[in-house]
Amino acid sequence: GAGVSQSPSNKVTEKGKDVELRCDPISGHTALYWYRQSLGQGLEFLIYFQGNSAPDKSGLPSDRFSAERTGGSVSTLTIQRTQQEDSAVYLCASSLALAGGVDTQYFGPGTRLTVL
Amino acid sequence: QKEVEQNSGPLSVPEGAIASLNCTYSDRVSQSFFWYRQYSGKSPELIMSIYSNGDKEDGRFTAQLNKASQYVSLLIRDSQPSDSATYLCARGGSQGNLIFGKGTKLSVKP
Repeated sequence: GAGVSQSPSNKVTEKGKDVELRCDPISGHTALYWYRQSLGQGLEFLIYFQGNSAPDKSGLPSDRFSAERTGGSVSTLTIQRTQQEDSAVYLCASSLALAGGVDTQYFGPGTRLTVL
Repeated sequence: QKEVEQNSGPLSVPEGAIASLNCTYSDRVSQSFFWYRQYSGKSPELIMSIYSNGDKEDGRFTAQLNKASQYVSLLIRDSQPSDSATYLCARGGSQGNLIFGKGTKLSVKP
């Protein structure tokens, strides 16, 4: 079956512009996660959705970042007034979110964001 | 203090040898641990998950967990050049998220 898909695969933008990144999880996966991977850095957790709800937004790096999920499926991560330090690969993952533990997460191919 | 620590490498082993990748973590309440493999320019893919102390084997891969020592490792037997990648250790977080180390780059020489 289809895996996690993300779009666009690459995005180049100018400093100060807004960008929107999209994630389409595996069908039936109720949990959706956004991570960021900067050059030479590990994966940094940003936000988690269970259904359409994001219980904790404290992982978002600044108030320029926001995310939403509608219909329990597609999620968008929006970065307003982009800065050069926002340049990174943004990865989305989804899982079945089985009760009682951390379930296997399947990652999408990522969106490489470059802020000039 | 970093939550999940890995030696960044590169770790270089000859083809056919055993590659040993190590990871330590600081949160004693962690219950779930994962090893992901990431090829250059690609997204991470799960190799192994481990939840209980001891060893877990899957083909050429063996994960070892020691909760008392807060240590988890991955052994790759009969290493192949196709195993050359960055290996990411992760522990489960409170939101079901994963907390990753920075990864160890493995190079298997033919």
